[in-house]
Amino acid sequence: EAGVAQSPRYKIIEKRQSVAFWCNPISGHATLYWYQQILGQGPKLLIQFQNNGVVDDSQLPKDRFSAERLKGVDSTLKIQPAKLEDSAVYLCASSLDHHGRGRWDSPLHFGNGTRLTVT
Amino acid sequence: KQEVTQIPAALSVPEGENLVLNCSFTDSAIYNLQWFRQDPGKGLTSLLLIQSSQREQTSGRLNASLDKSSGRSTLYIAASQPGDSATYLCAAGAGSYQLTFGKGTKLSVIP
Repeated sequence: EAGVAQSPRYKIIEKRQSVAFWCNPISGHATLYWYQQILGQGPKLLIQFQNNGVVDDSQLPKDRFSAERLKGVDSTLKIQPAKLEDSAVYLCASSLDHHGRGRWDSPLHFGNGTRLTVT
Repeated sequence: KQEVTQIPAALSVPEGENLVLNCSFTDSAIYNLQWFRQDPGKGLTSLLLIQSSQREQTSGRLNASLDKSSGRSTLYIAASQPGDSATYLCAAGAGSYQLTFGKGTKLSVIP
């Protein structure tokens, strides 16, 4: 099966510019996640979708970050305007079922991520 | 708030050794505990998932155990190989649908 696809792989922007990342999950996976991984840290959840609805966005900086999942498949994550502290790897992941609905046996499958550098 | 700690932060062993990676979590009301592997410049690869009702899971040379009461999980790697060199992360799944990750243990297996 094809894995989680992300693009671009790398992006360098200046602070206050905007940037967008794209993710295509594994076919048939209902749940999609965006994580932020700062160098030397574990990934931190930004937003979680179940089909095209948001399940959890409590850690998403909503004043500058936005995300959408159209038709319950592909997703985009946008940052506008970017700050220096946004420099990180942005990881997209998908799972077959929704963790928290009594089903906790679906592992997460991650893409290779987008490395963002804000200068 | 769930906190996950992994010790040691880095580990270097000679090829062929058996080794144990440790993971501790503060909130024992977890639904599952997952172990991942991350290679440089890559995403995370799921290794093992232990549901809260289980005590351990095995895959090949890997064995993961879970002790919810003490807030601990261990990943045992048998007969380590240079190809096992990577960063290993554990993540605890609990209440608010979130996986909370540790910072990882960077493993180097020396030929």
